[in-house]
Amino acid sequence: DTGVSQDPRHKITKRGQNVTFRCDPISEHNRLYWYRQTLGQGPEFLTYFQNEAQLEKSRLLSDRFSAERPKGSFSTLEIQRTEQGDSAMYLCASSPRAGNYGYTFGSGTRLTVV
Amino acid sequence: DAKTTQPNSMESNEEEPVHLPCNHSTISGTDYIHWYRQLPSQGPEYVIHGLTSNVNNRMASLAIAEDRKSSTLILHRATLRDAAVYYCILRDVDDYKLSFGAGTTVTVRA
Repeated sequence: DTGVSQDPRHKITKRGQNVTFRCDPISEHNRLYWYRQTLGQGPEFLTYFQNEAQLEKSRLLSDRFSAERPKGSFSTLEIQRTEQGDSAMYLCASSPRAGNYGYTFGSGTRLTVV
Repeated sequence: DAKTTQPNSMESNEEEPVHLPCNHSTISGTDYIHWYRQLPSQGPEYVIHGLTSNVNNRMASLAIAEDRKSSTLILHRATLRDAAVYYCILRDVDDYKLSFGAGTTVTVRA
């Protein structure tokens, strides 16, 4: 297993367009997380899945954001009607079933809204 | 969320040890101390974590004060590839979220 994969690595979109990002976690990890990071700041939690169930959504995740994890495997994060303020690095991470383990993060998708 | 305090930046010379401090005076008994680092244009990378006892792994050592109100991440011999932002994070044993602060930016001089 090569770790957590995110696609695309970079996305430039015009304001108002919809974008979708994909995350493939480590196969035996049942927990999956999305974070957002803006320049000069640490990552901020967006949402958490345990298997296919989305168990928590941050207040940062407005109605324009939706995340899914069908069948408890890969996950997608969609942003509708993008705004310039959505420009950020979107990070996905996964961790094992239980226990106090470290997360494995992907390299992220950098979104630029012009 | 439990808070941590780290210096904004630190500099080190290559092949010398680096000691990164972290203060967490409000730590609770069920908080683990986690360290991650983030290289430029990469996602964060898990480094080490501990509860009460000092911990060692291939990447670093974690020294935890007896009262647990502070800890130090030790990189034994810094290399240029260790230049990164290092985050000290408290995570409750039952929590799944990581709350990142601004971290410490480590610069390694050749």
